Amino acid sequence: EAGVAQSPRYKIIEKRQSVAFWCNPISGHATLYWYQQILGQGPKLLIQFQNNGVVDDSQLPKDRFSAERLKGVDSTLKIQPAKLEDSAVYLCASSLEVLAGRTDTQYFGPGTRLTVL
Amino acid sequence: QQQVKQSPQSLIVQKGGISIINCAYENTAFDYFPWYQQFPGKGPALLIAIRPDVSEKKEGRFTISFNKSAKQFSLHIMDSQPGDSATYFCAASRVNTGFQKLVFGTGTRLLVSP
Repeated sequence: EAGVAQSPRYKIIEKRQSVAFWCNPISGHATLYWYQQILGQGPKLLIQFQNNGVVDDSQLPKDRFSAERLKGVDSTLKIQPAKLEDSAVYLCASSLEVLAGRTDTQYFGPGTRLTVL
Repeated sequence: QQQVKQSPQSLIVQKGGISIINCAYENTAFDYFPWYQQFPGKGPALLIAIRPDVSEKKEGRFTISFNKSAKQFSLHIMDSQPGDSATYFCAASRVNTGFQKLVFGTGTRLLVSP
């Protein structure tokens, strides 16, 4: 079974530039998550999709971050414009359809390491 | 209320020894407590998880101990091996809400010396 795919693996940009990350979840997984992992910290959820609808984006800085999941499969996360503090690893994860009371394993991709100069 | 506090920040254990990592939470609504293992350059991978209706869960060399009254849970790695050297994250979520939002601890970097 193929895992969660992410690209690019590394990206270096200047502050105020734009950047986009792509994620392809495990086939059949309805739920997709984007996490931000700053060096030395645990991952922090930015946004959660169920199919192509947003379930939780309470921690997404909406003035500069946006995400979409067209057709309920692939997803892109965009930062525009980037700030120095956005330097982090951006992790995508997927799981089966989330239902209340059921624990579904979240499978993580390898992440995209973003450096903002 | 949403935080999960993890300690120690780093840990060095000799091969064959026991590694112990501790986590504490405040939000009593949390009802799912997984541990994730992360190797450099890789995403976190689920290692073992527990629900609060049991006090202990064991899978091979890995055991979670859960203390509901103290709002604490810990990971024990028995017979630690050099291949266990990685960063370990505890996490918590509210499964019964259907959101599955994981709140992660800050991580413990484990080094098992040969």
